[in-house]
Order: sequence, then structure tokens, then C-alpha cells
Amino acid sequence: NAGVTQTPKFQVLKTGQSMTLQCAQDMNHEYMSWYRQDPGMGLRLIHYSVGAGITDQGEVPNGYNVSRSTTEDFPLRLLSAAPSQTSVYFCASSGRTLWSTDTQYFGPGTRLTVL
Amino acid sequence: AQKVTQAQTEISVVEKEDVTLDCVYETRDTTYYLFWYKQPPSGELVFLIRRNSFDEQNEISGRYSWNFQKSTSSFNFTITASQVVDSAVYFCALSAVNDYKLSFGAGTTVTVRA
Repeated sequence: NAGVTQTPKFQVLKTGQSMTLQCAQDMNHEYMSWYRQDPGMGLRLIHYSVGAGITDQGEVPNGYNVSRSTTEDFPLRLLSAAPSQTSVYFCASSGRTLWSTDTQYFGPGTRLTVL
Repeated sequence: AQKVTQAQTEISVVEKEDVTLDCVYETRDTTYYLFWYKQPPSGELVFLIRRNSFDEQNEISGRYSWNFQKSTSSFNFTITASQVVDSAVYFCALSAVNDYKLSFGAGTTVTVRA
């Protein structure tokens, strides 16, 4: 199993450009999510999905779109990049145990710089 | 609302010293999970431990140990006989038992000097 994979690892954008961060998992996990990491703020949840066709907003969703057409993939789209979106982005996935959620495992991250 | 506080921003120790990372949390949920993740200089997030709020037993795994005290809403992490490879940012996190959403603390940067 490759686990959770993210592409690209690094990206530089100009203000106003759009792009999609890719995330895939091969563990058949129902839950996937996107976090951003900023200095001194830990990780903050952007969007999440509890299954194909179901997405919802997290703590900091503005400026980002997601969709989940398959169990494996959960892309994050930046519609019009802004310098405030300069951050490290992590994708995570998780399954379930018989009676609760399971531990989330994270991808390697994408470092995004918006000029 | 959930909140995780890691009051220590940075800790610097000499190799072989013990280091304790503090984590205090707030939640209205009666059942919840607490986590510790490690982020080494390479940048990935490595899962270390998950503890259920029902289980207040302390846990030891090699040089790592965790002290969960529900009465003080704390879930502290100790590295015994630290090594240079322990240098990393450590995050404490919290989620409700049937909720996937994680609330993270700001992280504590641990630097172990040879």
C-alpha cells in the first residue's frame, strides 16, 4: 500500500492563478480531509469528506473547493490563489472500527507559495 | 467547541535529558480521543499514539510515555533519554469518538543537541 499520496510536493503560484492539489489513498478509507499548516497555528481543517459524493466545510474553507467522486481521490482546488493561502497542505484519510472512527494518517504534504 | 493548548512553543535539551511536552484540552464531549503526532524536519506527520477518554492508564512505548489525567484535562508526553533523532515538532490533537475532525494544538518544537 502506498498509503496517502499527495502531488505536487512543491508549487509556486501567482496571485489569481488557480490550481488543484491532488490527494489519493489506497486503503479504502471512507474519510478524507484537507488541513493547512501555518507557523504557530498547528493544523486547521479546510474541508472533509465522509464518503464519495459527500463533502463538508471545516474551520477555514474560504477560497477552496473540494469534490469526492471516488473513494480513492479527494482533490483540493484553489479558485483564485491569494498570498494568504501560502501554507503547507496535508491530506489525511481514516477508516472506522466497529464502533468509532479510526486514526487519521497523513500524506507527505504540499508546500504552496503564492506570490 | 474543542480546544487544544500546547503552552510550550520550543524546548531545547541536551542529548540523554528527559523532556516532557504539555498538552491541555477543552471539550464538551463525554467521549473523545487524544492523539500525539510527530513532525520531523523532513515534514511528514507521523502518528505516535491515540488514547480513548475511557482509558486513563499511562502508557509507555520504548523511550516514550504518556500521562493522561482526565481530572486536569491533560495528556502529557515524555521522551526519556532524548536523542538527536527526537528533534521534531510534536502536535497534540483531539477528536470526538464518532467525529473524524481533529483539533490540533499549535505544536511544540523540540531540539535535542548532541
